[in-house]
Amino acid sequence: GAGVSQSPSNKVTEKGKDVELRCDPISGHTALYWYRQSLGQGLEFLIYFQGNSAPDKSGLPSDRFSAERTGGSVSTLTIQRTQQEDSAVYLCASSPGLAEGNEQFFGPGTRLTVL
Amino acid sequence: SQQGEEDPQALSIQEGENATMNCSYKTSINNLQWYRQNSGRGLVHLILIRSNEREKHSGRLRVTLDTSKKSSSLLITASRAADTASYFCARGEAGGFKTIFGAGTRLFVKA
Repeated sequence: GAGVSQSPSNKVTEKGKDVELRCDPISGHTALYWYRQSLGQGLEFLIYFQGNSAPDKSGLPSDRFSAERTGGSVSTLTIQRTQQEDSAVYLCASSPGLAEGNEQFFGPGTRLTVL
Repeated sequence: SQQGEEDPQALSIQEGENATMNCSYKTSINNLQWYRQNSGRGLVHLILIRSNEREKHSGRLRVTLDTSKKSSSLLITASRAADTASYFCARGEAGGFKTIFGAGTRLFVKA
């Protein structure tokens, strides 16, 4: 079956512009996560959605970052007024959302470069 | 930083040797997961150990969890060149689904 997909795979933008990154999770997965990874670093948690519950936004670094998940499926991460420090790989993951915890399936990521 | 501690940061071994990576954390957890990342396959889940488990095996992988010491270790036995990758521990925080990744250990297995 299809895995997690993300688009675009690469995005180059100018400082100050807004960008939208898209994630299509595995069908039926109720949990969806966004992370970002700078070169040579670990993953930084940004936000997660679980079913119909309010998302946990505690990892968003500033109010320029927002995310939504429509219909419990596709998610969009929006970064407004991009800054050079936003340059990173943005990774999306989904999981079945079991209470006991479960593995996350990652997409290939979107590499964002802010000039 | 929200990340846990992993050590070593980098590890270089010969094919056939065992590799051990350690992970420490400070909060209460539901589970502890290990992931592998390489340029070819992206991030892949390896193994999950729940907070009430102490040891788990999967093929050449062995994971231990000591909740009293808030630490976990990943052992890869009989390493292969194809095991060359970055390995991350990720803690599933208690009370929800938030998952925090460590900074990773970069493993290089020489053929």
